[in-house]
Amino acid sequence: NAGVTQTPKFQVLKTGQSMTLQCAQDMNHNSMYWYRQDPGMGLRLIYYSASEGTTDKGEVPNGYNVSRLNKREFSLRLESAAPSQTSVYFCASSEPGLATMETQYFGPGTRLLVL
Amino acid sequence: QQQVKQSPQSLIVQKGGISIINCAYENTAFDYFPWYQQFPGKGPALLIAIRPDVSEKKEGRFTISFNKSAKQFSLHIMDSQPGDSATYFCAAYGGATNKLIFGTGTLLAVQP
Repeated sequence: NAGVTQTPKFQVLKTGQSMTLQCAQDMNHNSMYWYRQDPGMGLRLIYYSASEGTTDKGEVPNGYNVSRLNKREFSLRLESAAPSQTSVYFCASSEPGLATMETQYFGPGTRLLVL
Repeated sequence: QQQVKQSPQSLIVQKGGISIINCAYENTAFDYFPWYQQFPGKGPALLIAIRPDVSEKKEGRFTISFNKSAKQFSLHIMDSQPGDSATYFCAAYGGATNKLIFGTGTLLAVQP
């Protein structure tokens, strides 16, 4: 099993450009998440999807949109990139339940630089 | 109410020493407290977790101590090794949001 995969690994954008970050998981998890990681600020939730067909805003949703394409895939789109969106983006998935509680499995991350 | 405060921001420990990272929370509805470990260039991975019905959980050299009345929990790494050098995040789960709330992270460097 590959777990959680993310593409691309690195990306450089110019201000105003758009791009989509892709995420897929092969663990048959219902819940998926997008976080951004910035120095000194930890992991901040951008959007999440509790199940296929549903999405909800997290702590820092402005400037982003998401699509839960199917149970496996959850994409994050930047419509008009800004330098403040320079960050490392992580996708995660989980299957909440009594046994696992809220164990989230993270992908390797996408490092994004917006010039 | 939803914050998890983590300290210190960075920590340097000699090989064989004890590393201690502390976290505090406010929301008493939290009922699950995991620690995640992140190596450079990788995503975080679950290290160890505890529920508030116990005061301590130990897995190998890693121990979580939990103080429910003080709303604090900590990670202790015994006999710290250079391979433990990583960023550690505490987190809390539960309450109305049903989302993991992460601390700001601690960068641990274990010197040989």
